[in-house]
Amino acid sequence: NAGVTQTPKFRVLKTGQSMTLLCAQDMNHEYMYWYRQDPGMGLRLIHYSVGEGTTAKGEVPDGYNVSRLKKQNFLLGLESAAPSQTSVYFCASTTKSRQGRNTEAFFGQGTRLTVV
Amino acid sequence: RKEVEQDPGPFNVPEGATVAFNCTYSNSASQSFFWYRQDCRKEPKLLMSVYSSGNEDGRFTAQLNRASQYISLLIRDSKLSDSATYLCVAALNKFYFGSGTKLNVKP
Repeated sequence: NAGVTQTPKFRVLKTGQSMTLLCAQDMNHEYMYWYRQDPGMGLRLIHYSVGEGTTAKGEVPDGYNVSRLKKQNFLLGLESAAPSQTSVYFCASTTKSRQGRNTEAFFGQGTRLTVV
Repeated sequence: RKEVEQDPGPFNVPEGATVAFNCTYSNSASQSFFWYRQDCRKEPKLLMSVYSSGNEDGRFTAQLNRASQYISLLIRDSKLSDSATYLCVAALNKFYFGSGTKLNVKP
């Protein structure tokens, strides 16, 4: 059982380049999230999805786009990378209990992105 | 104002000590609460869920106070392996993480 898998694990981009980060989960979870983590800032929510075909903005969405064409995949795109987007990116997924409460979030191993 | 606030620490304690962390959350509608542990910027991993009645898992005890909107974590008999950053989470569809509290357990 792979859980949540992120690709790639490391990447160096030049300013202005584009890339897509892939998150895949095999737990049939409805909810998926993209976070970025910077020193001293904790995890900040970029975008999230409550189901296939739906996405919504989080706390820091500017400069990012997302798509959830399939339930198991959540893609994060950077159209024109900037040095301020140098960070560690984490994907997570979760579901809801029978009582309607979010269960624990499972995380991918992270993508370390450097924009030069 | 951040959705979830924590004291960043670090908390430097000797082995065997008892240490307590608190955090506060701003959304009174939050329904799910958790403590996560994160090592050296690896992915966060669930330490324990937090229930209104309080819950215990070995040396770890978590409490939730809905009236005051704070969550606590108590670690008894600290081990060197407990050294990590502890993240507080409040969730209502979206998961909001605190910035984390760093714990250093010294020999």
